Amino acid sequence: DGGITQSPKYLFRKEGQNVTLSCEQNLNHDAMYWYRQDPGQGLRLIYYSQIVNDFQKGDIAEGYSVSREKKESFPLTVTSAQKNPTAFYLCASRWRANTGELFFGEGSRLTVL
Amino acid sequence: AQKITQTQPGMFVQEKEAVTLDCTYDTSDQSYGLFWYKQPSSGEMIFLIYQGSYDEQNATEGRYSLNFQKARKSANLVISASQLGDSAMYFCAMREQAGKSTFGDGTTLTVKP
Repeated sequence: DGGITQSPKYLFRKEGQNVTLSCEQNLNHDAMYWYRQDPGQGLRLIYYSQIVNDFQKGDIAEGYSVSREKKESFPLTVTSAQKNPTAFYLCASRWRANTGELFFGEGSRLTVL
Repeated sequence: AQKITQTQPGMFVQEKEAVTLDCTYDTSDQSYGLFWYKQPSSGEMIFLIYQGSYDEQNATEGRYSLNFQKARKSANLVISASQLGDSAMYFCAMREQAGKSTFGDGTTLTVKP
């Protein structure tokens, strides 16, 4: 089945540690996105990538980093510079950056202790 | 400045009645897309309906319709014949010409039996 796989689903980390969230898609989509969602709130764009080896900052990129070395993969690293990293993280993709709806993964819930 | 505004944090509707969820947007792009997504308590994001900026007809998908008023920059979602399973958070989103996709803060809809 085609889709987006995020892992891990739940992650606990100590303050000051970097963590990497995985996002893999087998939909052959060019564009991929990372969003952060805090409880009861909307989705805020962290980073997005329109094509392999290229990505742009979203609205809340500080304290995060990404890479896009393969079309299928768009990992997100939450660094120790992110002041309040506890949140629900959603990865999404679409066929082309300016075409079609977003397909979402099931999300990763990060809790920093 | 927020690009997507959803002014209704919470809405109630009686089962089998229709409900309108409001969305206004701001963009200087000529070509853009407007989307509505549903997020049940499980956290998954479900695509509902899409309206392109050049589409002259309002989009419809089953019980969902999008009331698109371009001059007023509004894209309201109408759900007809509400069902208990419609209780969820609903997000309006905009895809800009360059591929960036932003979301509103959402509206929590509760359907009463």
